[in-house]
Amino acid sequence: EPEVTQTPSHQVTQMGQEVILRCVPISNHLYFYWYRQILGQKVEFLVSFYNNEISEKSEIFDDQFSVERPDGSNFTLKIRSTKLEDSAMYFCASSTRQGQFSEQYFGPGTRLTVT
Amino acid sequence: RKEVEQDPGPFNVPEGATVAFNCTYSNSASQSFFWYRQDCRKEPKLLMSVYSSGNEDGRFTAQLNRASQYISLLIRDSKLSDSATYLCVVSGGGNKLTFGTGTQLKVEL
Repeated sequence: EPEVTQTPSHQVTQMGQEVILRCVPISNHLYFYWYRQILGQKVEFLVSFYNNEISEKSEIFDDQFSVERPDGSNFTLKIRSTKLEDSAMYFCASSTRQGQFSEQYFGPGTRLTVT
Repeated sequence: RKEVEQDPGPFNVPEGATVAFNCTYSNSASQSFFWYRQDCRKEPKLLMSVYSSGNEDGRFTAQLNRASQYISLLIRDSKLSDSATYLCVVSGGGNKLTFGTGTQLKVEL
């Protein structure tokens, strides 16, 4: 069964450093997403991406964040200058379509720890 | 009112029991509804999409009441492996999924 994959599984970085989280969505999916989950809290939407453009983003997704599809398989989330409060689990997801009944499938996540 | 509200639990039930979780959502324009399960420190896994008034998949039944803005999940014949957190998830028709905080289920011998 096809799966979303993410690397690394755990990333430790110092405050102020840049990090890039990587995802390989399911191969025939066209819509890609990033979510985050701070420990003990709910999963929160960050951004959705389609046809090489951001289609929707949340208030959390400020100028420190960017997304890119650098090639035909990878989808990345970059945090330019990490803050302590960026420590969270970051999940990538993908879907075949958008809108009603769009089912999103999640990767195993990258645990980001900012020290 | 929270966008998606769930009783956090935990629900502790014996193996074989039937258990039901409820969820309410605030946005009446919401169009798509899902139940995901999440094991500790793992990713959300899609359990069921909830179409029209509801649907059934084996031991799991989901129901939707649009008038009351209420979704439920019923698990029959609970198994130890059902122990997890169950996330109620709502979409407004765009791409963004809005998650509840989840209801924790512990199935015991």
